[in-house]
Amino acid sequence: GQSLEQPSEVTAVEGAIVQINCTYQTSGFYGLSWYQQHDGGAPTFLSYNALDGLEETGRFSSFLSRSDSYGYLLLQELQMKDSASYFCAVYRGGYQKVTFGTGTKLQVIP
Amino acid sequence: DGGITQSPKYLFRKEGQNVTLSCEQNLNHDAMYWYRQDPGQGLRLIYYSQIVNDFQKGDIAEGYSVSREKKESFPLTVTSAQKNPTAFYLCASSIQDSPLHFGNGTRLTVT
Repeated sequence: GQSLEQPSEVTAVEGAIVQINCTYQTSGFYGLSWYQQHDGGAPTFLSYNALDGLEETGRFSSFLSRSDSYGYLLLQELQMKDSASYFCAVYRGGYQKVTFGTGTKLQVIP
Repeated sequence: DGGITQSPKYLFRKEGQNVTLSCEQNLNHDAMYWYRQDPGQGLRLIYYSQIVNDFQKGDIAEGYSVSREKKESFPLTVTSAQKNPTAFYLCASSIQDSPLHFGNGTRLTVT
């Protein structure tokens, strides 16, 4: 089967940097993705890593190490609006099932 | 604007009744998905469909049924056989090897 592990909660100060880790176990791995979800809202796509290394998109960066079955999401210059839940998700190719982690609730404090 | 529409936003039903949740997309995506989310938990896949008239069970399909008669529509029926139906239900769509686009969800409460 598939499993993903990420911390349940993280607290960080406005303007700081925070890293949310994700480790996974899966067969047929194609890539790791990150989604953001505000309370009561729909998840929205943040990033996708198919190859090892760092992908940067504005204040957000995502890293993948396939050999370690590990990835992380890095959020820089934190803003209050970044308070949300962040989910890592494993893709197993094409239209294959996408498996989500249990999510990390990030609280940004002043 | 293209997107995914789920309706209604809130739904209340009595135990023992079947209920159908609507999901419509105008993104011309081939694949559609239904996820269930419980408080403080991740998203669990119920069913997915890659093409019209075809669908596959996800990880927690028991007590649910779907149909895919049109590319744009993927309704989910929560049957009376589902033991714990109260949850937040999210519909999504995608094209191959692309991110999932989610609707705003339907919050179902069964009492």
